[in-house]
Order: sequence, then C-alpha cells, then structure tokens
Amino acid sequence: GESVGLHLPTLSVQEGDNSIINCAYSNSASDYFIWYKQESGKGPQFIIDIRSNMDKRQGQRVTVLLNKTVKHLSLQIAATQPGDSAVYFCAESWDTGRRALTFGSGTRLQVQP
Amino acid sequence: DADVTQTPRNRITKTGKRIMLECSQTKGHDRMYWYRQDPGLGLRLIYYSFDVKDINKGEISDGYSVSRQAQAKFSLSLESAIPNQTALYFCAIAEGGRDEQFFGPGTRLTVL
Repeated sequence: GESVGLHLPTLSVQEGDNSIINCAYSNSASDYFIWYKQESGKGPQFIIDIRSNMDKRQGQRVTVLLNKTVKHLSLQIAATQPGDSAVYFCAESWDTGRRALTFGSGTRLQVQP
Repeated sequence: DADVTQTPRNRITKTGKRIMLECSQTKGHDRMYWYRQDPGLGLRLIYYSFDVKDINKGEISDGYSVSRQAQAKFSLSLESAIPNQTALYFCAIAEGGRDEQFFGPGTRLTVL
C-alpha cells in the first residue's frame, strides 16, 4: 500500500481466492490501526481494527495482522468476492490527545469473476 | 437513515468564492473530523472538534475554517476558494473513548 502518487497499487485476484493487502505504517509509536474499504463515490467504510497489544484479529472473512518489528500491517480477505472490489486504506493513530487517524495512500483490489 | 450526512454532495464554484460544506450526525458522538482526499491519495486531516467549544487544527488547515454549531453539526468553510482545493471532502464522527471513525458519503468540490 505504498504511495506512488496518482497511481494506486493494484491487486488483481480471482473470485474465490484469498487476498492479502499490505501496508507499511510510519510511526513506531502508533498504538491503533484500522482498515477501511472505499467504493467509488462513497465514503470510507470501517472493516476491522487492531490495537498494538495484539498481532492478529479476525472478523467475518477478514483478518488483520500486525508486525510491529517491521511496522507492517496486512489485511487478509478470504474467498474474495466481486463485491470486495474497492480501494482499501490502512490508517494509524498515535496521538491520544486528538485521536486522529493518519491514512496510507491505498491499494485498489480488483476481483476477476 | 445514514448516521453521517454531508451537503452538498457535489459543488462547482469559482476561484475567490466562499463555500460552506455541512456535516450532520444522528449518533450523538462528541468527536467530529473533516478530511480531504486528493486523487490516488489517502485522507488528510483538516480540522477536528471534540465538542461544541473545542476546535482544533489538523495538518492542512490553511485556507479553511470550521464551525461546530451544535453537537450534531460541524461545518467546513473555504473563505476564498482556490483551484488546488478541488478535492473530495469527508466528515467523520467518533464516539468518546473509542478510536474508530465513521465517515459520511463525501462532498466533491471543484474550484474553477
């Protein structure tokens, strides 16, 4: 999920396969991480989150993995469906005062039928 | 009904005009945020508010101002719009004590 300006990294998968979307975060002091899905013309939609005292968290068809040693976050989507096609953003938070999120630049997931 | 609504959804304006974007929420959450999204990039924080009397600048507040008229309403103003403020603008809300933010549908603003 590294930024390359206007050209989003794109992950193309076949329907039914598992998808893994990666994100390198910036601040070693970050203690909260979140994944959002954004479909065209819509606002970001919450998928799953994780705190820094965990290294794995599972939701429905999604799993987030956190590796604090290398500042890496991943989102795994099981049995990817066409409706999963969207841009996925990771975000981190380290400022307990304002509790704002700092977003990565996103990865586009394309699911081929 | 949506928890967070934004008006207008689309707006085209000219350089130098004053523009107000509005955000309303039905959840009663204390915290509200305004973000900007440019093509191919993530969201960047403009302003945030923890209650009606608390307004704070984010990373890119220059050229913008906000008003928290009530707990449920948080407006973003561009005092004198310029073309590089053309972007998608998102409002988000968060419950006190929790980190996850929930976003509105966005306003697409074009400054000619």
